[in-house]
Amino acid sequence: GEDVEQSLFLSVREGDSSVINCTYTDSSSTYLYWYKQEPGAGLQLLTYIFSNMDMKQDQRLTVLLNKKDKHLSLRIADTQTGDSAIYFCAETNAGNNRKLIWGLGTSLAVNP
Amino acid sequence: NAGVTQTPKFQVLKTGQSMTLQCAQDMNHEYMSWYRQDPGMGLRLIHYSVGAGITDQGEVPNGYNVSRSTTEDFPLRLLSAAPSQTSVYFCASSYISHNSPLHFGNGTRLTVT
Repeated sequence: GEDVEQSLFLSVREGDSSVINCTYTDSSSTYLYWYKQEPGAGLQLLTYIFSNMDMKQDQRLTVLLNKKDKHLSLRIADTQTGDSAIYFCAETNAGNNRKLIWGLGTSLAVNP
Repeated sequence: NAGVTQTPKFQVLKTGQSMTLQCAQDMNHEYMSWYRQDPGMGLRLIHYSVGAGITDQGEVPNGYNVSRSTTEDFPLRLLSAAPSQTSVYFCASSYISHNSPLHFGNGTRLTVT
């Protein structure tokens, strides 16, 4: 079946950039998403990218998509302690009735 | 805006008991779904619905029932709770179009002893 993989942990210093990586196997993927989960809360959509785009920028967030390698990354500039959370990558394709394939999440720790 | 509301926030059950986890959304979303989140397992889809009167199974439907009598509500029923159902449960909803993001509730933490 289709799969999405992420590294489980990332630790950065406050003010540095964070880069969270994700790889996926679905060659028919149409939308790729980044969600953020803070402790004790549900998941919140951060950003998404359509599969015909290479890059999307939204304030401190930059999403890069390499469709050939099926690699997605989320860069957070000037990382703050409030960015500490779990970040989930997910993908879907047009033919699967809105089913998302989720990664296991990357736990980002921001150290002061 | 309320968004997606889940109740209760916490619940402890004994093995064999039944209960219903409630989920309501006020965004007129056609699509609603239930996930469970377990350490090391990520998010797994239990059941979903693409509209009132329509439900379908996800990856891990066994032990759970759902119904969708209205657009707003999508309750999840555990008929006979088992310790393996100890988890955090999330309800999520969206419009039916593929680029519509999922909106999540804050979760129900269920412990079955």
